[in-house]
Amino acid sequence: GAGVSQSPSNKVTEKGKDVELRCDPISGHTALYWYRQSLGQGLEFLIYFQGNSAPDKSGLPSDRFSAERTGGSVSTLTIQRTQQEDSAVYLCASGGTSGGYEQFFGPGTRLTVL
Amino acid sequence: SQKIEQNSEALNIQEGKTATLTCNYTNYSPAYLQWYRQDPGRGPVFLLLIRENEKEKRKERLKVTFDTTLKQSLFHITASQPADSATYLCARGGGDSWGKLQFGAGTQVVVTP
Repeated sequence: GAGVSQSPSNKVTEKGKDVELRCDPISGHTALYWYRQSLGQGLEFLIYFQGNSAPDKSGLPSDRFSAERTGGSVSTLTIQRTQQEDSAVYLCASGGTSGGYEQFFGPGTRLTVL
Repeated sequence: SQKIEQNSEALNIQEGKTATLTCNYTNYSPAYLQWYRQDPGRGPVFLLLIRENEKEKRKERLKVTFDTTLKQSLFHITASQPADSATYLCARGGGDSWGKLQFGAGTQVVVTP
């Protein structure tokens, strides 16, 4: 496909369990971003990968959150020991080619922690 | 703390009129601002980017202005249509981490026939 894809689209988990969210960016995009959006709120920046540079992790809310990007392409966001306050929509975006700064977003993963 | 603020109240507007949305920011003036559209259950879609040395940008029925003195951007939808109903997000970038964006909470626009 031509766009950013994310999986799963919905995830329901129990408090204390670990979850992994996947993002497939647009082919060739060097930048990849993760955001979190709670109901009725704006997007909260989590982490930013740009090429081979060290990621900007300044938005990760706690050490329970981590992300990796393998081979400069697919990214996985991992949340360990999930808490109810982690419930949100997690959005991935890619961009960064040809000097453009716009970000292309995926549809998001809705995470519900019971 | 550094903030980017948008009107939290929904903007209700009649078809054919111009919708004007406000985005105010504090502290540092961004190298650029972006505007996105978000429909329910979907990810945001990029609309326009305006750089700090640009006063105005247009794309079809959309117009964005950037006033670094007022620390404000205005987003206009002219000749609005019911299909323009959505939430519009403002974001600033070009800070300590070039591609990283700080988003406002968005303003919902409802266009009635």
